[in-house]
Amino acid sequence: SQQGEEDPQALSIQEGENATMNCSYKTSINNLQWYRQNSGRGLVHLILIRSNEREKHSGRLRVTLDTSKKSSSLLITASRAADTASYFCATANQGAQKLVFGQGTRLTINP
Amino acid sequence: DTEVTQTPKHLVMGMTNKKSLKCEQHMGHRAMYWYKQKAKKPPELMFVYSYEKLSINESVPSRFSPECPNSSLLNLHLHALQPEDSALYLCASSQDLPRQGYYEQYFGPGTRLTVT
Repeated sequence: SQQGEEDPQALSIQEGENATMNCSYKTSINNLQWYRQNSGRGLVHLILIRSNEREKHSGRLRVTLDTSKKSSSLLITASRAADTASYFCATANQGAQKLVFGQGTRLTINP
Repeated sequence: DTEVTQTPKHLVMGMTNKKSLKCEQHMGHRAMYWYKQKAKKPPELMFVYSYEKLSINESVPSRFSPECPNSSLLNLHLHALQPEDSALYLCASSQDLPRQGYYEQYFGPGTRLTVT
């Protein structure tokens, strides 16, 4: 299975702190995506990192990719209450026509 | 317009009812998806349409019947559902099929379905 595994499953931090969540996957990929889902809503695409990239930034988000370890991390800096959400990584096998989502990390930012 | 819309937002149906979920996008995307999501779980792919043709059916029971009337619309027809089918049903679209994860997917807000 290509399914990503994320850890931690749940993370609770204080507003202003940084949050790091990790994703591991099993087979070779060309791209890895991260999505956010606010409670009971649709997913929102955050960032895509290609296999030849090691790090990518978007605002307060920093994503890293280590293809040798088949893992990626998402760092959210200076967290805000509005960052409270579930975060999913998503990958597609080479030749696959679908994305497979990891189990997700539920992030809670406490005021 | 980068929005995917879904109707209805909430649906309660009995096990003998027939209902439909609707999804619409006007981004010119050629791939559209139905996902099912249970609480605290990731979205689970059900169907993929590419250029209005069914591309993937993830062995979904026949009580779920997808339809793609045109490139902007996607329906999911529901009939004789079971209580365990209660979930959030998400529609998504992308410029093309994932092709090794290259294209991002745009999700609608979902339909919260309760089967009684």
